[in-house]
Amino acid sequence: GAGVSQTPSNKVTEKGKYVELRCDPISGHTALYWYRQSLGQGPEFLIYFQGTGAADDSGLPNDRFFAVRPEGSVSTLKIQRTERGDSAVYLCASSTGVKSDTQYFGPGTRLTVL
Amino acid sequence: SQKIEQNSEALNIQEGKTATLTCNYTNYSPAYLQWYRQDPGRGPVFLLLIRENEKEKRKERLKVTFDTTLKQSLFHITASQPADSATYLCALPMDSSYKLIFGSGTRLLVRP
Repeated sequence: GAGVSQTPSNKVTEKGKYVELRCDPISGHTALYWYRQSLGQGPEFLIYFQGTGAADDSGLPNDRFFAVRPEGSVSTLKIQRTERGDSAVYLCASSTGVKSDTQYFGPGTRLTVL
Repeated sequence: SQKIEQNSEALNIQEGKTATLTCNYTNYSPAYLQWYRQDPGRGPVFLLLIRENEKEKRKERLKVTFDTTLKQSLFHITASQPADSATYLCALPMDSSYKLIFGSGTRLLVRP
């Protein structure tokens, strides 16, 4: 089937606004990951879901960031009171949930906070 | 904490030559190490995984080595082609978890 999809592909917002970024994983993948990538850097881990629950959210930078996966499929990353420093590409990946298994990445959402 | 170092300078080579990219890590040796390819505006694409008990792994024109003594992995592309031009990322798991830590990547440019 289709790969990991993310919407929107680009999001421009103003400082202080709220944004939601959506990830649609590969069907049947139980594990879902969010990463953030700044220009010239590798992806940086944010949060990992196994099924519906956040198994590890240690990478979320602060309490303005929150993510949900209510039915164990689609996930939404939510950022409150956006700051210019939040500008980056937000990547989503999914896998079968077996440790060391390949993570399949989506194309990312480029977030720009003005 | 674990850190990964990849050469930040772009590697510029002639078509047909072998490209060799380096990934060094600083602390514990991970159970496995992965290499990804990333094109501009795209997410990373998995290429190869090598486990700690494997010295070498091959896939078509790609070869990866893993030296736990040197804390280093080398990634080779033989008979390189302009289509191989991309950024190559090294990644390994944080501790024994599912989380991956990525290097900053090395950009490869293959001239025709």
